[in-house]
Order: sequence, then structure tokens, then C-alpha cells
Amino acid sequence: EVQLVQSGAEMKKPGESLKISCKGSGYNFASYWIGWVRQMPGRGLEWMGVIYPSDSHTTYSPSFEGQVTISVDKSINTAYLEWSSLKASDTAMYYCARRVPYGAIPFDHWGQGTLITVSS
Amino acid sequence: DVQMTQSPSTLSASVGDRVTINCRASHSIGSWLAWYQQRPGEAPKLLIYQSSTLQSGVSSRFSGSGSGTEFTLTITSLQPDDFATYYCQQYNSYSNIFGQGTKVEIK
Repeated sequence: EVQLVQSGAEMKKPGESLKISCKGSGYNFASYWIGWVRQMPGRGLEWMGVIYPSDSHTTYSPSFEGQVTISVDKSINTAYLEWSSLKASDTAMYYCARRVPYGAIPFDHWGQGTLITVSS
Repeated sequence: DVQMTQSPSTLSASVGDRVTINCRASHSIGSWLAWYQQRPGEAPKLLIYQSSTLQSGVSSRFSGSGSGTEFTLTITSLQPDDFATYYCQQYNSYSNIFGQGTKVEIK
């Protein structure tokens, strides 16, 4: 069974750093893109970027380029989303999802989401 | 970047109704269009990809159509579980842009 399991909810202060994770199982992790999607409270879905675990090639949405860092450790089937200095506006639910590279099928399996709350 | 615009933003319907949600792309995206369902408190779920291909395990009451810039999601015989928010998504090698969502509410 394909599963993406994300790390738990976090409460942080503005200016703090954070790295959340997404661990894949039940499939060949290196062969699928992992994407990250933000959902701010009461708002829609925003694509942040994708990484290809096989070669760590990363593509960011222009809206998130320079704001976050996406990385991967394929030896432990885990992708990461990282902030160096959180802002209150980073408060949101963050989802990871897998996608076939260049394929017809988009994000077909999703993690359960990680809720990030940034408040002083 | 392509922009995806859904209409309506909110739709009120009753169990058993047939509903249609529209999605327009700012320029042609061929058939690189997907639809997702998101119930409150849950992760999104892929319903349809390549504009009209039903994802495995998804009810045949869901169907999609369109190409280029105009796309439609149709739900026939609306069921209680279908009251949710629906998102279209343009996807290609370089981007995965979502529409703003359409909330289907109980009338």
C-alpha cells in the first residue's frame, strides 16, 4: 500500500527555523516526484514545488522560490520542507504528494498534512 | 504562468442533483487538467486526470471534459459524501497550478 506519512504539527515563533518531513513507503520512492502544497486557514491549495528523489532536481513555484527549501534523503525515503526564518504568514497546513515524473497522472497519493502555527 | 479560474466559487445543491463546475485556463493547456475533491479536515483526493480519465476507485458519477482553456467537472446524482470543495489543477513538467476551489454546499 502506497503511503506518505508526514511529521507532526508544530508551533513555532516568528524567526525560528523548521524542517518538516514526508516519508514514503509501498512504492519505489526514488521514481516519483514529491510535491509540497500549502493550504492557509480557510483558503485553497497552492503548489510550492517538487523534487525528484532520484537526482534531487527541484522545481519551485515562483511564489515560493527563495522562501522555502525542498530537499530529500532517498536512503530513508524521506522528503523535507524547510524554513530558515518563519513568519506568521507561514501558518498553514502543508501537504506532500507524489507524482509520476512527466506522466499523465498528477498527485495521486497525499500525506495526511502537517499543521504549522507561527505565533509570538 | 498559467492562471486557473473556477466558477462558481460556491454551489448549493441537493442530494440527487446533477452539478457542474467550470475551470478556465488563462492560455491553452491541452488536456493537462486534473480535478481533486477535498472534504473538511482531509487531504485532497484525485478524481480525474488528463481532463476526462477517472482515477482508479473513483465513482463513475464523476466525469470530466474539455481541452485547451475550458474544462468541466460534472457530478451526477449528488450524494452526501460529495459535499466538499473541488479544485482543478493544471499540471505539466514545470508547474502544478490549482484553481481557487468550488465549494459544493447542501441546499
